[in-house]
Amino acid sequence: DIQMTQSPSAMSASVGDRVTITCRASQGISHYLAWFQQKPGKVPKRLIYASSSLQSGVPSRFSGSGSGTEFTLTISSLQPEDFATYYCLQHNSYPPIFGGGTKVEI
Amino acid sequence: EVQLVQSGAEVKKPGESLKISCKGSGYSFTSYWIGWVRQMPGKGLEWMGIIYPGDSDTRYSPSFQGQVTISADKSISTAYLQWSSLKASDTAMYYCARQTEADYWGQGTLVTVSS
Repeated sequence: DIQMTQSPSAMSASVGDRVTITCRASQGISHYLAWFQQKPGKVPKRLIYASSSLQSGVPSRFSGSGSGTEFTLTISSLQPEDFATYYCLQHNSYPPIFGGGTKVEI
Repeated sequence: EVQLVQSGAEVKKPGESLKISCKGSGYSFTSYWIGWVRQMPGKGLEWMGIIYPGDSDTRYSPSFQGQVTISADKSISTAYLQWSSLKASDTAMYYCARQTEADYWGQGTLVTVSS
């Protein structure tokens, strides 16, 4: 199975900060990577698909990049409502694998 | 509008069986894979397995093979996740999600296993 290493596992940031979260795949997954946001007690919400495509309705401060084995999720200017845990998901090959998550604390 | 609606919360005792459901609407149910995702209390997301309702092709993630059974009834656009003998460690929130890219999610079913 492909392994997904997500970093950092937690971070503290301030409103207005630029935040970058990284996922590394143990082998190439092309662009088959998605990013999700999960708030406490809520269903995960897809932010980014195909590595860099913004899900409809998601604010443009979220962006994704990368291909192959290294991917990043960037929040250009952190807002109070962005307090959440973020997960990457590779779906290039079965089984799909989530990263371990990054908890962003404001 | 694509919707996945899951069955309600369950409280069970160890050793009991359970089947939870996920009903799809707003799209062609038989043309998209439906997967199940586990989230244990305070932990991350784990992909359990997936089924293609069109022909019932089913795949399990290694950690869940033999531990659960995934099925689907395409006549009522519903996928299922079942256990034959629950353990306390099965206590978790379970989500269904469409496709391996998880573009749509159910609202989750909380399963509590306690004596």
